[in-house]
Amino acid sequence: GAGVSQSPSNKVTEKGKDVELRCDPISGHTALYWYRQSLGQGLEFLIYFQGNSAPDKSGLPSDRFSAERTGGSVSTLTIQRTQQEDSAVYLCASSLGGTSGGRKTQYFGPGTRLLVL
Amino acid sequence: AQTVTQSQPEMSVQEAETVTLSCTYDTSESDYYLFWYKQPPSRQMILVIRQEAYKQQNATENRFSVNFQKAAKSFSLKISDSQLGDAAMYFCAVTSGTYKYIFGTGTRLKVLA
Repeated sequence: GAGVSQSPSNKVTEKGKDVELRCDPISGHTALYWYRQSLGQGLEFLIYFQGNSAPDKSGLPSDRFSAERTGGSVSTLTIQRTQQEDSAVYLCASSLGGTSGGRKTQYFGPGTRLLVL
Repeated sequence: AQTVTQSQPEMSVQEAETVTLSCTYDTSESDYYLFWYKQPPSRQMILVIRQEAYKQQNATENRFSVNFQKAAKSFSLKISDSQLGDAAMYFCAVTSGTYKYIFGTGTRLKVLA
């Protein structure tokens, strides 16, 4: 089956503009995650969805960041009034959800590289 | 709080040789899971291997194996018969009763022909 897909692959925007990043998880995966990876850094957790609800938004860096998930599938990460420090790769992952190791395993998309000029 | 430390920012290995990447972690949970992911220049994070903490046997996947030392909270990755395609960033991660992965800062592996 298809893996996690993300669009766009690359996005260049001007400071102050809004951007939307899209994630299509693996079919049947109830859990969805967003991470941010700055140049040369590890992955920073942003937000987690179980179904359509987001039990943990603690990783969102500011109120300019928001995310939603509809129909238990596609998720959109929105960054309003982008700043240069928002430049990074945004990775999405999905998992079956649950407590066993197999169901916890996260499968990642190819990421969206965002550049804010 | 959980933490993951990868103390080797960069490693090099000769093609066909063996290399070990280090990872130490800290968690107060008794039930947790450990992962190694590979990130080539394409950015795609690829699962390399997974270890359940309650299992004493070290996980293996073809040329990849781990040395899991629970008491020492160490989870190293051994790559045997290294290939040029193994060149990538390697990230260690831990997760427990919650869903959240905690990642290390990564080790860049170079494979020399």
